[in-house]
Amino acid sequence: GAVVSQHPSRVICKSGTSVKIECRSLDFQATTMFWYRQFPKKSLMLMATSNEGSKATYEQGVEKDKFLINHASLTLSTLTVTSAHPEDSSFYICSAQTGGGNQPQHFGDGTRLSIL
Amino acid sequence: GQQLNQSPQSMFIQEGEDVSMNCTSSSIFNTWLWYKQDPGEGPVLLIALYKAGELTSNGRLTAQFGITRKDSFLNISASIPSDVGIYFCAGHNSGSRLTFGEGTQLTVNP
Repeated sequence: GAVVSQHPSRVICKSGTSVKIECRSLDFQATTMFWYRQFPKKSLMLMATSNEGSKATYEQGVEKDKFLINHASLTLSTLTVTSAHPEDSSFYICSAQTGGGNQPQHFGDGTRLSIL
Repeated sequence: GQQLNQSPQSMFIQEGEDVSMNCTSSSIFNTWLWYKQDPGEGPVLLIALYKAGELTSNGRLTAQFGITRKDSFLNISASIPSDVGIYFCAGHNSGSRLTFGEGTQLTVNP
C-alpha cells in the first residue's frame, strides 16, 4: 500500500520550455502533497506544501510564479516549472500524506529535469 | 529553522557487519521516520516511530525514538550488498512538515 507514482521520470528540454510533473497517489487519498527538490549528494529541500482544493504554501525563497502547483483532486498534484532555465535542472520529488499531522509521507520516484 | 544532525555522513563496511546511524536535534520531535533512497529514486519509508522510547524492528532494521524526543537511531544487522544507499532520518515537530537529516551514505563491500 501507499504507492505514489510520479511522471515523467526524466525530462530533457530546451531553455524557455515549461515542464509539467505529475504526482499521483495510487491506492490512497492524499490530503496533503509535498514537492521537494534535491541537489546531488544533498538532502531533500521542501519547496511547497499543497492541500487538495487550496492554494499551495511555498517555502521561503521558492518563486510561486516559477513553480506552479495544482492539487485539484485527492489523488493528483502537478508541479509546472515555467520558462525553465538551466539553473532549474534538478531532481524533483513529490510525496503524499493521508490524514495530515504526524502521518508518514510516501514518496514518488522523482523526476530528473535537465534544461539545455 | 529546525535542523536534524545526522551521523555519520558516510560509512564503508564489509558484508555481514552491523551498522548504526543516528540523528539528534536541539528541538523535540513528535515522530521520527527513517527512509532509504537508492540512486535516481525517491525515498522509501523503512520505519516510523511515534512514541518516546519506542523501539521498532523491520526485518534486519531496528530503530528507536529517544526518551528525550530529541534523537533517534537506526541499526542494520548483518548487512548485505543491497543495503547500499542513502539513509535519511526525518521528523515532525509541528504540523505535517517534515525536517530531514543530511543523510548517511552506506557502502557495503561484498
